[in-house]
Amino acid sequence: EPEVTQTPSHQVTQMGQEVILRCVPISNHLYFYWYRQILGQKVEFLVSFYNNEISEKSEIFDDQFSVERPDGSNFTLKIRSTKLEDSAMYFCASSEGQNPRRTDTQYFGPGTRLTVL
Amino acid sequence: AQSVSQHNHHVILSEAASLELGCNYSYGGTVNLFWYVQYPGQHLQLLLKYFSGDPLVKGIKGFEAEFIKSKFSFNLRKPSVQWSDTAEYFCAVKAGTYKYIFGTGTRLKVLA
Repeated sequence: EPEVTQTPSHQVTQMGQEVILRCVPISNHLYFYWYRQILGQKVEFLVSFYNNEISEKSEIFDDQFSVERPDGSNFTLKIRSTKLEDSAMYFCASSEGQNPRRTDTQYFGPGTRLTVL
Repeated sequence: AQSVSQHNHHVILSEAASLELGCNYSYGGTVNLFWYVQYPGQHLQLLLKYFSGDPLVKGIKGFEAEFIKSKFSFNLRKPSVQWSDTAEYFCAVKAGTYKYIFGTGTRLKVLA
C-alpha cells in the first residue's frame, strides 16, 4: 500500500537556523498538507498546497514558513529562522483531490521530530 | 469557532473490555469526520471516516463509530479491546475544503 514518507525522522537544529523538512506524498495525490504537533498538544493544521500554490494556511504559518514542490515527487516545508517554540512533530499529508470539498481523505506520513536548541 | 473535543485524555482498560471514546465537534458546515490512531512511534493511520449515509461506520481492526448529529458527536467504539490497541486516538473534523481540525487525543492503554 502506498505511503507518505518523510525525512529526516529527527532533526536537531540551533535557534535561528533554517531547516527544510521533506516529504514524498503518495504518487497520484494532488493535494499536500503540513501539520504540526507540539509535545502533549493537539495536531494543528499549518498549510495546504495544490497546483503549486498555497490553497489555505493557518495563522501559525507566518512569514518564517514556506512550502515548495521542487520536483515531481518532493514536498518541502522550510522554516527560515527557527525558534524554540518551533520544536514539534511535523506531519506531512496528501490526498487524492478528486473531490476536495467533500470526500477527500488525508493520509499522513510518520512525521519529523524537530528539536530547536 | 470550529473545534473538536475529546473528553477522555487517558483511558486504561483490561483486555476484552469494551471501549468507547468520546468525540464532540463544533462546526457549522457539512461534517466529514475521522478517527485516526497513532501507535507508539508510528504515524497517524486512518481508522474510519464518515461523510454521509449510514451514521454507523465500521473501520479497520473491529472499530466502529456512530455519528449523532443532534449531539454533535462521533464516538469511537470497540466491543473487545486487545493489548495491541494500545495507542493514541484522534478524532478530526474536516473544516472547509482542506484542513482537518483535530482533538487533543486520547491515550489508550490496554493491560494484558
